Amino acid sequence: DAGVIQSPRHEVTEMGQEVTLRCKPISGHNSLFWYRQTMMRGLELLIYFNNNVPIDDSGMPEDRFSAKMPNASFSTLKIQPSEPRDSAVYFCASSRGGHSPLHFGNGTRLTVT
Amino acid sequence: DQQVKQNSPSLSVQEGRISILNCDYTNSMFDYFLWYKKYPAEGPTFLISISSIKDKNEDGRFTVFLNKSAKHLSLHIVPSQPGDSAVYFCGSGTGGGADGLTFGKGTHLIIQP
Repeated sequence: DAGVIQSPRHEVTEMGQEVTLRCKPISGHNSLFWYRQTMMRGLELLIYFNNNVPIDDSGMPEDRFSAKMPNASFSTLKIQPSEPRDSAVYFCASSRGGHSPLHFGNGTRLTVT
Repeated sequence: DQQVKQNSPSLSVQEGRISILNCDYTNSMFDYFLWYKKYPAEGPTFLISISSIKDKNEDGRFTVFLNKSAKHLSLHIVPSQPGDSAVYFCGSGTGGGADGLTFGKGTHLIIQP
């Protein structure tokens, strides 16, 4: 079992640039979650999908953030344009739903200068 | 407005002793509670869970206690081992966690030799 795979592991970009983070969930999992970790706010839920459909995006901080899940094996989180305050570690997680625990990827560390 | 609070940013415990990590929540709709463990440069990994119909769940050295009236849960680790040194996140959710989890900011547990 390969686990949740995120790419890239590290991303350094300049303010104003577009950033795309990628996630491959565990095969057979039908729920996918995007989280952001910062020192100030801890782990925040940004958006989640069930069966590739976005269910709740109320955690997305601004319109600059968007997420897609075109199929069951791939999701992206895009920030356009990026700002220094977006610097954080972004985690993707998947689960079978219900009482199944979330399985997290190793995250993407984003630095916006 | 934090719905899940871990008020101790860090905790130092001697090897072999008991580690007790605490978590408080405010949302009475939460019906599922989990603890995750996180090492540096890795994603959080699931440790143990408890549903709101129980007040205790045990798995080896790890026990989670839930006090619904106080909206409080705790994780006990006995005996503590050096490999337990990590950041521990308390997560809570509704619908069995299917709607995503709300996490606290984490507690950094340090096991002293």
